[in-house]
Amino acid sequence: SPELTQAPSVSVSPGQRARITCSGHALPEQYACWYQQKPGQAPVLVIYQDSERPSGIPERFSGSSSGTKATLTISGVQAEDEADYYCQSIDSSGTYVVFGGGTKLTVL
Amino acid sequence: QVQLQESGPGLVKPSETLSLTCTVSGDSISSNYWSWIRQPPGKGLEWIAYINYSGSTNYNPSLESRVTISVDTPKKYFSLKLTTVTAADTAVYYCARGVVKGNRKFFDYWGQGTLVTVSS
Repeated sequence: SPELTQAPSVSVSPGQRARITCSGHALPEQYACWYQQKPGQAPVLVIYQDSERPSGIPERFSGSSSGTKATLTISGVQAEDEADYYCQSIDSSGTYVVFGGGTKLTVL
Repeated sequence: QVQLQESGPGLVKPSETLSLTCTVSGDSISSNYWSWIRQPPGKGLEWIAYINYSGSTNYNPSLESRVTISVDTPKKYFSLKLTTVTAADTAVYYCARGVVKGNRKFFDYWGQGTLVTVSS
């Protein structure tokens, strides 16, 4: 079974809150991070170390982690946030990088 | 501003070796880690490997037997070789700067990606 599991899709109306989750047995011991990828573009890091936001990332992006689940929250979703979102962490051996399968966020 | 740029052939024949190079600017290659990540068309991201300036490496176990990552610190680039390719290796290949500190591993700067197609 995959190390990190994400729902394939999430839909939300503009201005609402979007929550994208990532499940993995190693998450209690390993930090998670999140990438945003728009069509035809390279991924962009939006959250690292569970909840830290890189410089230049809007404050509406936040992250949290509890137990075996990490969550990316986008508060006040905008049309420009429509993208694929990938979680990433380290496998249960603590050695290898693993990605979730990705969640397509649709802004209705 | 850190910038990474992939270069290499866009078409590789089955059973041959895929070779890519990533040129780094705006940062010292002697700091951080440097990685390759790929994405088959319409699919998700797959980490391939990373390396640091001293040559310490880490490979995805599913690809390790076919992959070599190397770094040329004076010339500020790092490279990927993937042997015995098949159509399943067709993907956009990204190079990225990695942060590797204990239980923190993530990629904060990415190249634009280069599509490599495996076909005869």
